[in-house]
Amino acid sequence: DAGVIQSPRHEVTEMGQEVTLRCKPISGHDYLFWYRQTMMRGLELLIYFNNNVPIDDSGMPEDRFSAKMPNASFSTLKIQPSEPRDSAVYFCASATGFRQPQHFGDGTRLSIL
Amino acid sequence: EDQVTQSPEALRLQEGESSSLNCSYTVSGLRGLFWYRQDPGKGPEFLFTLYSAGEEKEKERLKATLTKKESFLHITAPKPEDSATYLCAVRTQGGSEKLVFGKGTKLTVNP
Repeated sequence: DAGVIQSPRHEVTEMGQEVTLRCKPISGHDYLFWYRQTMMRGLELLIYFNNNVPIDDSGMPEDRFSAKMPNASFSTLKIQPSEPRDSAVYFCASATGFRQPQHFGDGTRLSIL
Repeated sequence: EDQVTQSPEALRLQEGESSSLNCSYTVSGLRGLFWYRQDPGKGPEFLFTLYSAGEEKEKERLKATLTKKESFLHITAPKPEDSATYLCAVRTQGGSEKLVFGKGTKLTVNP
């Protein structure tokens, strides 16, 4: 089975530009999670969806961040406008249930210059 | 506030030299403790879930144990391919039961 697929794997852009990260969860997984990983703070949950509906976005750092899940096989995380402090690795994960093990994609390494 | 602390931050072992990684937690009611392995440039890969004190899980050279305040990941006779960062995460009763991750232990096994 294909795992969680994220794109792009790397993104380098200038401050102020819009950035869109994409995720395709594992088929049949009802939960989708977006995380951010930095050296200073480790892995932090940004937002999660259940059956395409956002359930908890309390981890989204600012209004510059937004996430959508238009259907069961696709989600986006958008940053507009981007800032250098947004530089991090962003992971998407999916699970069959909220309390079940989460399966992670290989992440998008984002660098904002 | 729920906290997860992993130690040591980094560990170097010789092939065959057994050791343990520690994950200590301060949480308001544990609903599960998870161990993940993360290779460079990859996402975390699920290893184990533990739910109650005294529980143990094993997979190849890895064995995870749980007490009321901490978990250990024991590595027996490690091989170079066990080199990775090992992450611990807890799910608690408080708030929305989100996973709270530690910062990980980077393990290097030299041949």
